[in-house]
Amino acid sequence: ETGVTQSPTHLIKTRGQQVTLRCSSQSGHNTVSWYQQALGQGPQFIFQYYREEENGRGNFPPRFSGLQFPNYSSELNVNALELDDSALYLCASSSSYPRDRGPEGDEQFFGPGTRLTVL
Amino acid sequence: GENVEQHPSTLSVQEGDSAVIKCTYSDSASNYFPWYKQELGKRPQLIIDIRSNVGEKKDQRIAVTLNKTAKHFSLHITETQPEDSAVYFCAASKGWSSASKIIFGSGTRLSIRP
Repeated sequence: ETGVTQSPTHLIKTRGQQVTLRCSSQSGHNTVSWYQQALGQGPQFIFQYYREEENGRGNFPPRFSGLQFPNYSSELNVNALELDDSALYLCASSSSYPRDRGPEGDEQFFGPGTRLTVL
Repeated sequence: GENVEQHPSTLSVQEGDSAVIKCTYSDSASNYFPWYKQELGKRPQLIIDIRSNVGEKKDQRIAVTLNKTAKHFSLHITETQPEDSAVYFCAASKGWSSASKIIFGSGTRLSIRP
């Protein structure tokens, strides 16, 4: 098992509500990426946080937002929930060197995920 | 745009036989290719990866090959065992130039027949 943890495990919300999901990265990792995995599909990249700043974003609307804290843990916030937001939300942590040292730390290790159901 | 295609979507093999999963990627700047195994209700688990400066990598019963010219890469599992049953995802990344964003294939459901 990886050292990446997520909470809560499961969550049920209704359309229009807001939700916050949490992720604690593996010890020594400073980068957290978030993915959405719909049933029967591969994970899709939402965004990544490195040193408390957004470091890249996938094709998701602005109502998906995030934070990273000084201890490298991270939150994913989703506003105005829609039925299609029902999915498994995965965070992945990695150890990344500063960009000027080249593309290191490509390996990403996933947490157990949060299963979000929107009714 | 960036895309990873994976085939087949389902694969059933006899225990002890080999399984091969094939993927193609669209972005020639991709330089890192991980493979993940996901059991039902569990997290994706990194099982092997390969970087663009290597053509083949092996770890016990698992091997990956990469053809950068053709933009193809494959996973080979030999001497399959019941515990190999799971969904396997191939993926591609461009590293830091793209926030290490991993683009996943659609997955292959592998079943091992006893």
